[in-house]
Amino acid sequence: AQKVTQAQTEISVVEKEDVTLDCVYETRDTTYYLFWYKQPPSGELVFLIRRNSFDEQNEISGRYSWNFQKSTSSFNFTITASQVVDSAVYFCALSMVFVGNMLTFGGGTRLMVKP
Amino acid sequence: GAVVSQHPSRVICKSGTSVKIECRSLDFQATTMFWYRQFPKKSLMLMATSNEGSKATYEQGVEKDKFLINHASLTLSTLTVTSAHPEDSSFYICSARRDRDEETQYFGPGTRLLVL
Repeated sequence: AQKVTQAQTEISVVEKEDVTLDCVYETRDTTYYLFWYKQPPSGELVFLIRRNSFDEQNEISGRYSWNFQKSTSSFNFTITASQVVDSAVYFCALSMVFVGNMLTFGGGTRLMVKP
Repeated sequence: GAVVSQHPSRVICKSGTSVKIECRSLDFQATTMFWYRQFPKKSLMLMATSNEGSKATYEQGVEKDKFLINHASLTLSTLTVTSAHPEDSSFYICSARRDRDEETQYFGPGTRLLVL
């Protein structure tokens, strides 16, 4: 069975601090995709990134970066120089080809960035 | 882009009435759409997979007669909560997959349902 664990339920930081959101996943499949979504207070889920299981290259997009390590089944997300607008709930998710790419979500991490 | 809209964004209804929520993919075709439910401070729970032109596939524990899904076109899926009760109050979110990109789901803004 597949599972996504986000051990940090809430994180609070002060603006300009760097913060890393952890994500650990479990799957028996060799072909899968990992995602991060942001859910601001308005409720809409915003797609941030998708990674496939064959691509372990880390990615940077502005202040966001992602570290994918298959050896530890982790897909961590770092926000550099956090801003108040980064305050949201962040979800890590896993999908696998053999179950029709259905998403399995982690429990989410609520990030609060204080001014 | 990949924009998904939902209507209404918020609805209050009396117990016993039915409520229809629309999910539209605005700039792409979506053979497959998904309906999720989210309780306060919780993660998303998949309710059903909606396939254009065929019956929806419901997750275990979700009553198909209670939550009617219709996916009549490649850009529109509807969820009807029939005979709503207070326990149906929740945040309902839909998502859609572009037909040419089956890996990523794009989410709508959600609908807050309050049943009195």
